[in-house]
Amino acid sequence: EPEVTQTPSHQVTQMGQEVILRCVPISNHLYFYWYRQILGQKVEFLVSFYNNEISEKSEIFDDQFSVERPDGSNFTLKIRSTKLEDSAMYFCASRTSSGKGTDTQYFGPGTRLTVL
Amino acid sequence: AQSVAQPEDQVNVAEGNPLTVKCTYSVSGNPYLFWYVQYPNRGLQFLLKYITGDNLVKGSYGFEAEFNKSQTSFHLKKPSALVSDSALYFCAVRDRNNFNKFYFGSGTKLNVKP
Repeated sequence: EPEVTQTPSHQVTQMGQEVILRCVPISNHLYFYWYRQILGQKVEFLVSFYNNEISEKSEIFDDQFSVERPDGSNFTLKIRSTKLEDSAMYFCASRTSSGKGTDTQYFGPGTRLTVL
Repeated sequence: AQSVAQPEDQVNVAEGNPLTVKCTYSVSGNPYLFWYVQYPNRGLQFLLKYITGDNLVKGSYGFEAEFNKSQTSFHLKKPSALVSDSALYFCAVRDRNNFNKFYFGSGTKLNVKP
């Protein structure tokens, strides 16, 4: 069964550094998402992306964050100048645009980001 | 505003016994409701969803959930728990008109003991 994949599984960075989290959505999906989960807290929506542009973003998704689909398979989340409070598990998700299952988002295994 | 509550941080059940993981929601209009499961070092795996129709929905691994509109609940159930069901379970809600945002509960850790 096709799955969303994410790399790396764990990223450690120094405060102020830039990080790029990578995701490979399911191949025929056209809608992409990033969520994050701070340890012990809820999974929170960050951003949705369709047709090479952001379709919706939360208040968390400020100028520090950006998303990109650099090629036909990858979907990335860039965090510029990381802060301690950016430490969290980041989940990528995707969904299809047609047929059965358009209402369901499929999630990757997550990238644990630790900012020191 | 849409929100989901999972009132139990942890549920403990003996193998072979029935299990229930609770979820209540608050959403304007009719909701789309989902359950996901997270095993260690894995992503959120889709279990089941309620969109419309029969209030009892069946999903993967023998799980089912009952949509109760009057109680705004969507509890996850299984008649006979397995040790391998031990994982973190998340309830999520989505507004019918917004395909983008899922609102997740805080998660419930299910421990099934042999």
